[in-house]
Amino acid sequence: NAGVTQTPKFRILKIGQSMTLQCTQDMNHNYMYWYRQDPGMGLKLIYYSVGAGITDKGEVPNGYNVSRSTTEDFPLRLELAAPSQTSVYFCASSPDRGRGSPLHFGNGTRLTVT
Amino acid sequence: AQKVTQAQTEISVVEKEDVTLDCVYETRDTTYYLFWYKQPPSGELVFLIRRNSFDEQNEISGRYSWNFQKSTSSFNFTITASQVVDSAVYFCALSERQANSGYALNFGKGTSLLVTP
Repeated sequence: NAGVTQTPKFRILKIGQSMTLQCTQDMNHNYMYWYRQDPGMGLKLIYYSVGAGITDKGEVPNGYNVSRSTTEDFPLRLELAAPSQTSVYFCASSPDRGRGSPLHFGNGTRLTVT
Repeated sequence: AQKVTQAQTEISVVEKEDVTLDCVYETRDTTYYLFWYKQPPSGELVFLIRRNSFDEQNEISGRYSWNFQKSTSSFNFTITASQVVDSAVYFCALSERQANSGYALNFGKGTSLLVTP
């Protein structure tokens, strides 16, 4: 059981470039999330999805876009990369809308924008 | 807005010492869930425990124990007889209702624990 898979593991972008961070889960979870982690700042929610076709903004959505065409996949798009987007990005999933469900995290994507 | 505070940024202990990581939270919800996650140097996030607000029993799992006190809005984590493998960043999190539907975790800034031999 692979769980939550993120690709790539590492990426270096130049300012203004675009890229898509991939996330897929094989647990048939309805809820999926994107967080970013900056040193000493914990994890901040970027976007989340409660099911295929439904997405919504989290705390720090500016500069990002998402889509959820299938239950399994939840890609995160950076259109015009900026140095402030240098971070580690984590995708996560959860089985239901219950507030008590722990999140299952992928291993992260380390992105550097120079 | 809900808030999770981990006041200890870094803690350094010598192996076999006991160490407590503090977590204080703010919420207006009467029912809520709290979590602890571990992030070892390899970077992945590992779920440790979940606690709901109507169960104030302390929990013990091997060398780990958690003390939930609703009266002080705290959910502290103690490692007994620490080991080098406990070196990691530990995050406390609170389940927070999102604007339109569902819940997401609101994380504290984390406490970096270093256990030296």
